[in-house]
Amino acid sequence: EVQLVESGGGLVQPGGSLRLSCAASGFTFSDYWMHWVRQAPGKGLVWVSRINSDGSSTSYADFVKGRFTISRDNAKNTLYLQMNSLRAEDTAVYYCARDRFYTQDYWGQGTLVTVSS
Amino acid sequence: QSALTQPRSVSGSPGQSVTISCTGTSSDVGDYNYVSWYQQHPGKAPKLMIYDVSKRPSGVPDRFSGSKSGNTASLTISGLQAEDETDYYCCSYAGSYTWVFGGGTKLTVL
Repeated sequence: EVQLVESGGGLVQPGGSLRLSCAASGFTFSDYWMHWVRQAPGKGLVWVSRINSDGSSTSYADFVKGRFTISRDNAKNTLYLQMNSLRAEDTAVYYCARDRFYTQDYWGQGTLVTVSS
Repeated sequence: QSALTQPRSVSGSPGQSVTISCTGTSSDVGDYNYVSWYQQHPGKAPKLMIYDVSKRPSGVPDRFSGSKSGNTASLTISGLQAEDETDYYCCSYAGSYTWVFGGGTKLTVL
């Protein structure tokens, strides 16, 4: 059974940093691209970032370029999202999702990031 | 990277059919057959219902179907059931390894 478990969310001040993790199990993690998608409270889903299977290629939504970094450790079956220079508008539930041929097919339960002073 | 356009809400009676539209541009929906649809119950993770415009993952009832014409994709739910009442999101590949979601549609079963 595919399982994705996010962690690392919490309360952070504007301008601060946070690193999210996504532990994967139930599939061969190193074979799949992975995504981060976020959802602000009461709002819709927004794609944030993608990384290919070996970590050599990454892509980002314009609103996080230069501030967020996606990475992965295939030996630990873990996906990461390093978030710097956080803003109030980054407040959201952050989901990791597995990619299967350009579709996010399995999702974790999400971790809440709150940016507030 | 503008969001795809979905109606904010749709409704239908049990047993009826409803269609949710998802309008993008020639750079996303119109250019790729990588359109997917997700069902999301409150407080839960999204669940994949349709991928590649019209394919259903294993376990998704055949009451759910997808299609595309030009820059607009559609999700049709036939034989509406009370359990279908929730939020639905479309998503399209937008090139250069980026994706774009729709704003979401709330389905009400009357």
